[in-house]
Amino acid sequence: DIQMTQSPSSLSASVGDRVTITCRASQSIGNYVNWYQHIPGKAPKFLIYAASTLQSGVPPRFGGSGSGTDFTLTISNLQPEDSATYYCQQSYTPPRFGQGTKVEI
Amino acid sequence: QVQLVQSGAEVRKLGASVKVSCKTSGYTFTSYGISWVRQAPGQGLEWMGWISTYNGDTDYAQKFQGRVALTTDTSTSTAYMEVRSLKSDDAALYFCARDSCANTNCFGSTFDIWGQGTLVTVSS
Repeated sequence: DIQMTQSPSSLSASVGDRVTITCRASQSIGNYVNWYQHIPGKAPKFLIYAASTLQSGVPPRFGGSGSGTDFTLTISNLQPEDSATYYCQQSYTPPRFGQGTKVEI
Repeated sequence: QVQLVQSGAEVRKLGASVKVSCKTSGYTFTSYGISWVRQAPGQGLEWMGWISTYNGDTDYAQKFQGRVALTTDTSTSTAYMEVRSLKSDDAALYFCARDSCANTNCFGSTFDIWGQGTLVTVSS
């Protein structure tokens, strides 16, 4: 199985900041990476697919990049409602999530 | 509007089984697969397995093979997940998710719509 190593495990930032979360795959996976936002008690929300394509309805302050083994989720102009845990997911088979990054604002 | 609505919280004893349902609406059931993901207390998301709603093919994460069974009922557009021989570390919040992969040997699986989650508590 292809492992995803996500960092940092948590971060604290202020409203208006820009934050970056990274995921590293244990082998090259092209652009087969998706990103999700999970607020406790709610269903996870699908943010980005194919490493950099924003899902419909997701605010443009969210952005993704990367290919091969290294991937990044960037949140610009951080808002209070962005407090959540963010997960990368490699979409090779079988799918696997990173360990998550808790973002506190 | 696309919705996945899961059955309510369950309490089971160690060694028992639990079956969770995921009723879908708002889209053609057989055009997407269903994946199941769980979150144990204080842990991250863990993919458990996938089922093709088209032909019933399944794919399980290795740690769940033989103990988890995924099924569907196309007449009611509902997916089911059964976990047998429950252990204490099966206590978790279980989610179903609409999976872009409708067939086997599919790459690029995305989980675009999720159920609300079902809490499974395992007691001794």
